Amino acid sequence: AQSVSQHNHHVILSEAASLELGCNYSYGGTVNLFWYVQYPGQHLQLLLKYFSGDPLVKGIKGFEAEFIKSKFSFNLRKPSVQWSDTAEYFCAVHTGGFKTIFGAGTRLFVKA
Amino acid sequence: KAGVTQTPRYLIKTRGQQVTLSCSPISGHRSVSWYQQTPGQGLQFLFEYFSETQRNKGNFPGRFSGRQFSNSRSEMNVSTLELGDSALYLCASSLDSPGDEQYFGPGTRLTVT
Repeated sequence: AQSVSQHNHHVILSEAASLELGCNYSYGGTVNLFWYVQYPGQHLQLLLKYFSGDPLVKGIKGFEAEFIKSKFSFNLRKPSVQWSDTAEYFCAVHTGGFKTIFGAGTRLFVKA
Repeated sequence: KAGVTQTPRYLIKTRGQQVTLSCSPISGHRSVSWYQQTPGQGLQFLFEYFSETQRNKGNFPGRFSGRQFSNSRSEMNVSTLELGDSALYLCASSLDSPGDEQYFGPGTRLTVT
């Protein structure tokens, strides 16, 4: 069955630290890849997406992600986190079939 | 333009009852997906509708059902509620497919006692 794995369920960082959140999926075909973010008390919103082309995609608020097809991975990165990045981050994969599969989420807490 | 709206925002029900949740997508969006969000489980896909047709369904029992109206508004229904149905139910709309960017509503927090 198709699945999405997020390796870290909870991450605690200090401000200015670098961030990398792992995401792997199990599907061998064409995929659309997403990272969504849920700030405290807010709706889920899109952080960035990959459909095709340059495997390094940039999103809002300085986030970027790299699609590595051979590793079935789409890791999220940010060089220097801020307190306002405290949120829950979800990796999502669309494999066709009118269904997008989400990972379990990673809760990031940034200490001021 | 207005975002995705969901009603009600909070609901408390008793085991065995049924519940209907409503979702109004962004104007022009024809695809509506429903998800169940619980701590540690992330978002579990329930079903997706497009032009009043269910195109895909997740691995949930038949107690969970939905429908979509001609104006793209959607409802989901849960019958014979169980304690384990307590969760945040999210609706997301997109232009034509969940493979497009999805826009999420605030969710309906359902508590079953």
